Amino acid sequence: GENVEQHPSTLSVQEGDSAVIKCTYSDSASNYFPWYKQELGKGPQLIIDIRSNVGEKKDQRIAVTLNKTAKHFSLHITETQPEDSAVYFCAASNTNREGYQKVTFGTGTKLQVIP
Amino acid sequence: DVKVTQSSRYLVKRTGEKVFLECVQDMDHENMFWYRQDPGLGLRLIYFSYDVKMKEKGDIPEGYSVSREKKERFSLILESASTNQTSMYLCASSRRGAFFGQGTRLTVV
Repeated sequence: GENVEQHPSTLSVQEGDSAVIKCTYSDSASNYFPWYKQELGKGPQLIIDIRSNVGEKKDQRIAVTLNKTAKHFSLHITETQPEDSAVYFCAASNTNREGYQKVTFGTGTKLQVIP
Repeated sequence: DVKVTQSSRYLVKRTGEKVFLECVQDMDHENMFWYRQDPGLGLRLIYFSYDVKMKEKGDIPEGYSVSREKKERFSLILESASTNQTSMYLCASSRRGAFFGQGTRLTVV
């Protein structure tokens, strides 16, 4: 099955700096890579995603990159703000043998933005 | 907006009790999932379902069962709760990206 590794497990940055979180996956059949943000006391929320036919996607201060050959993808947050502090999860998704979607998550990165 | 609702935010149960965690989604998604979240381990898939009355084991199904009698409702069942099942439980539904409920923090004493 799929295995997703995520680094670092914790990350502290000064407000205004950039933050980068990296993930690798094992199953070359994975074709969809969402990122989730989990704030304290809440469930994870989808913030951005990328499909395997695209190398990069950007949404305001958040960008994701995908390298299919190396099987790794990254989340980049620029101009970080205190409200970006949360736990971030990467995930890899593919369809199983019955044709249905299965999502495997990384272990999470706790981002702290220091004012 | 997609809404995934879990029936309880906090639960405290005794060892050996049968526990039901309920999840309802309002977007007519076929796929629904149950995860547990533990510090340092991320989100681990317990069971998922891709259709009514269909279920498939995830990575850690031992000690759990599920029920999907209606498309919008996916229930997680702990037949005989044990202390190592103390955790945060998250339900999700998806068509592509997953949408999560707010979580149920279950404590088994």
